[in-house]
Amino acid sequence: QLQLQESGPGVVKPSETLSLTCAVSGDSMTSRQYYWAWIRQPPGKGLEWLGTVAYSWTSYYNPSLESRLTISLDTSKRQFSLRLSSATAADTAVYYCARHNIQINAYDFWGQGTVVSVSS
Amino acid sequence: DIQMTQSPTSLSASVGDTVTITCRASQTISGFLNWYQQKPGKAPSLLIYTASKLQSGVPSRFSGSGSGTEFTLTISSLQPEDFAVYWCQHTYTNPYSFGPGTKLEIK
Repeated sequence: QLQLQESGPGVVKPSETLSLTCAVSGDSMTSRQYYWAWIRQPPGKGLEWLGTVAYSWTSYYNPSLESRLTISLDTSKRQFSLRLSSATAADTAVYYCARHNIQINAYDFWGQGTVVSVSS
Repeated sequence: DIQMTQSPTSLSASVGDTVTITCRASQTISGFLNWYQQKPGKAPSLLIYTASKLQSGVPSRFSGSGSGTEFTLTISSLQPEDFAVYWCQHTYTNPYSFGPGTKLEIK
């Protein structure tokens, strides 16, 4: 059974870079069947798709964040990462990593989420 | 970007009821529409993919239908564990946006 686990600082200062990692266990990361994604949820609000990285290391980003966002894959460490530069209070959210199963074109496994607060 | 809307925003129902949630896309998304359930403090979990296919392990009282721009999620014979927030999401083209959610509460 696949397991995803987010990790990273719980507090980031404004203007700094928000960095998170998602550890993947229990299934292959290199299958062409899977992409790896980040989704966030501000407190009390809806879900926002941030972006995804494919097995080919090609990344796809939400255009609203593309200038600040980098998602990368490290299959040797069985993890993928998110970096969001120039953080502001609007980036305060629960950040989820998830697997995009291309065969069903849906997010079939999610991490438990990690809370990140942007505050001085 | 494709905009997703859901109705109703919230819904009160009783155990045993049947409820329907509607999701609309601002342009056609073919059948690339997924439904997720989220309970308080938990990550969303996949219920239905490509509009009508039931994810493995999801009870058959959940069903989905629709194509193009209008989709529905139906929950038959509501159980206590079904009271949660439901989200639709399209996976047609970047960005893969979600609807604003529907909160299903116990009456």
